[in-house]
Amino acid sequence: EVQLVESGGGLVQPGGSLRLSCAASGFTFNSFPMHWVRQAPGKGLEYVSGISSDGGRTYYTNSVKGRFIISRDNSKNTLFLQMGSLRREDMAVYYCARGAPFENWGQGTLVTVSS
Amino acid sequence: DIQLTQSPSFLSASVGDRVTITCRASQSISSFLAWYQQKPGKAPKLLIYAASTLQSGVPSRFSGSGSGTEFTLTINSLQPEDFATYYCQQLYSYLSYTFGQGTKLEI
Repeated sequence: EVQLVESGGGLVQPGGSLRLSCAASGFTFNSFPMHWVRQAPGKGLEYVSGISSDGGRTYYTNSVKGRFIISRDNSKNTLFLQMGSLRREDMAVYYCARGAPFENWGQGTLVTVSS
Repeated sequence: DIQLTQSPSFLSASVGDRVTITCRASQSISSFLAWYQQKPGKAPKLLIYAASTLQSGVPSRFSGSGSGTEFTLTINSLQPEDFATYYCQQLYSYLSYTFGQGTKLEI
């Protein structure tokens, strides 16, 4: 059974940093692109970042370029999102997702940006 | 980036109705379109990919059609569990997979 489990969310002050993790199991992790999608309270889905199966290609939505870094450790079946210079508008539930289309999603981890 | 526009944003319907949601792309995306269903407090669920292919386990009352810039999601004979928010997503641009703004289907 495919499982994606996010962790690392929490409360952070504006300007702070946070590192999200997504532990994957039940599939050959290094065969699939992986993604981060966020959803602000009461809002729609926003595609934040993606990374190719070998980690060689990445994508960031404009609003996070230069502040977020996506990476993966294929030896540990884990996806990461390093988030810096956090803003109130980054506050959301962050989901990791597998493949293209996004066949599987994690349960999400909440990032709260507040002083 | 490719933009997706869904219509309507809100849709009121009843159990047993047939409903259609439209998704328009800002440029041709061939058939690289997926549809997701999301219920409150839950992660989205993949319903349809490649514009018209039903994901395994999804009831056959869901169907998708279209290509190029215009796509539709149709739900026949609405069931109580179908009341949710639906999103389209383009997968034409590698790793730049934008979503539509969503359509909330309510009673």
